[in-house]
This record gives sequence, structure tokens and C-alpha cells, in this order.
Amino acid sequence: GQQVMQIPQYQHVQEGEDFTTYCNSSTTLSNIQWYKQRPGGHPVFLIQLVKSGEVKKQKRLTFQFGEAKKNSSLHITATQTTDVGTYFCAATGSARQLTFGSGTQLTVLP
Amino acid sequence: DSGVTQTPKHLITATGQRVTLRCSPRSGDLSVYWYQQSLDQGLQFLIHYYNGEERAKGNILERFSAQQFPDLHSELNLSSLELGDSALYFCASSDTGTRVTETQYFGPGTRLLVL
Repeated sequence: GQQVMQIPQYQHVQEGEDFTTYCNSSTTLSNIQWYKQRPGGHPVFLIQLVKSGEVKKQKRLTFQFGEAKKNSSLHITATQTTDVGTYFCAATGSARQLTFGSGTQLTVLP
Repeated sequence: DSGVTQTPKHLITATGQRVTLRCSPRSGDLSVYWYQQSLDQGLQFLIHYYNGEERAKGNILERFSAQQFPDLHSELNLSSLELGDSALYFCASSDTGTRVTETQYFGPGTRLLVL
């Protein structure tokens, strides 16, 4: 079945530093979605990328979808303590189920 | 607030027991998905229902079953519980579950602890 690898597993940054998490698939993806899960919370949809080479921005967050539609990244500029949480990428399968990456747990040190 | 509700929030039970988790999707959503989140397996898809019918199965054990009722709420039944079934169980809903680009909205989850 479809697999999505995500790195790194953990990232500790000082507040104000940048952060990036990466997702890779061995197969071409129809789309990639990004979710954020705060500690003790549930996954919350952030964005979806569909087109090859697509780049989308949400304030300090930049999302990219690779040209071959096999990889994606989420970059946060100048992290804040409110960015703390686990960031997941997810690919939509043939039955519309989400296959999640393992997540990157971000800790922001004040 | 995603509009998806799940009950109960927490559940503590013993091995061998049976429990039922309940999910109400967002108003108007026809599709319900169940996911299991555990420390060692991450977030894994269990099953998808659309308008009362099973659409797809993922890594769901035979001891687990689900259904979606005419009012579109869904229940996940877990039986012969084992210690390893302790996890967070999320349900998510989307409007039709037919388009690749649909967003899924997650409920707050049910935390199950099997002792």
C-alpha cells in the first residue's frame, strides 16, 4: 500500500528559528495534505497541495509539493511558541482514506 | 471546533471486554472515517463509511467492527480487548468521501486505556 515517510521525527528549535519537515513517497501522489496536532488535541487540517511544483503560503508557513509529486515540505519561518505540536503530512488513497506520515514533533524553546 | 463529536472522551476498561465508541459527523457530511493513533503505529486508517455503507477497510482487526446508521452517526465496536488496543481513536468526516481533494475534519478523539 501507499507509504509516506516523514522526517525528522523530532525537532527542537529556539523561538525565532526556522523549522522544516519533509515528506517523501516512492509513488506519485494525487495530492498531499498537511495537518497539525497540538499536544492532547486532534489533527487539524492546514492545507492541501494538488499540482506539481505547487507552493502555498499561510502567514509564516510555506508548503511545497515536488515537481514529481513524490515529496512535500512544510517550512515555518521564525517559529513561535504557538507553533508547538506535531505536523503530519497525509496522502489520499484510492478509497479516500488518509495515509499519514509518522509526523514531526516540534518543540519551540522560549 | 471541527463540528465532529465523539463520545466518550475517555474510556478505561479491562482486557477481554467490549466497548463502543460513538461519532457524529459534521452536519451534512456523508462520510465517516475511523483512525487509530498509538505511540508505536502512528495514525492509521481503520475503516470508511459513506452514507451507511462500508467503503474501505484499512488496518482494522477482525475483533473490531463499525457501522454507520441512517442518521449518519457511526459506532466503532472493539471486542476481546487487549492491552495493545490502548490508543486514541479518532473519527473524521467529509462531505461525500468521493473526491480526492476533500478535507477530512477530525473529532476530539476517544482515549481508550485497556488494563
